[in-house]
Amino acid sequence: DAGVIQSPRHEVTEMGQEVTLRCKPISGHDYLFWYRQTMMRGLELLIYFNNNVPIDDSGMPEDRFSAKMPNASFSTLKIQPSEPRDSAVYFCASSLLAINEQFFGPGTRLTVL
Amino acid sequence: AQSVTQLDSHVSVSEGTPVLLRCNYSSSYSPSLFWYVQHPNKGLQLLLKYTSAATLVKGINGFEAEFKKSETSFHLTKPSAHMSDAAEYFCVVSDGGYQKVTFGTGTKLQVIP
Repeated sequence: DAGVIQSPRHEVTEMGQEVTLRCKPISGHDYLFWYRQTMMRGLELLIYFNNNVPIDDSGMPEDRFSAKMPNASFSTLKIQPSEPRDSAVYFCASSLLAINEQFFGPGTRLTVL
Repeated sequence: AQSVTQLDSHVSVSEGTPVLLRCNYSSSYSPSLFWYVQHPNKGLQLLLKYTSAATLVKGINGFEAEFKKSETSFHLTKPSAHMSDAAEYFCVVSDGGYQKVTFGTGTKLQVIP
């Protein structure tokens, strides 16, 4: 398996623009997680899904952030409108209930100017 | 509620000398504990995990960690550091499963030739 795939790897955009980050989990995994990593706040869980259903979105910072998982092999994290303070590395991870481990993608480095 | 404290933000060792990265946790239940490693500009990789089996856990690349309930600690050790061990290490705790985990703030390990 190719592992968790994220795209794009780098994104540079201007304040106010819409940003969409994409994630393809490992095939067969039933949990998907979105994290944000910054120097100031470390790694934060934003939201996670089980069988494509959002279970806990309490980490989503504000209404500008939204996440969807239309099917088992694809998820998006959207920021609209983006702000400079959204600049961070965003990680997607997936897991399988029977395996007590999260597998992380390489991350998307977002810079909002 | 669960929390994790990594006692050192930076650790510097000479190549060939032992590594000790310290982690203390707080958990309302029997916790699951993990150590992840992140190399520069990479995603996170699981080093090892404790899930209420043997208290001494062996992981990849020669790392191991010991779960000490009386001390609420889960320190990561390696007998002999290698240059390739230079990375950031995260201690992670989960109360009742691994779906919602809490990351420590990370410890950056520097290995001096």
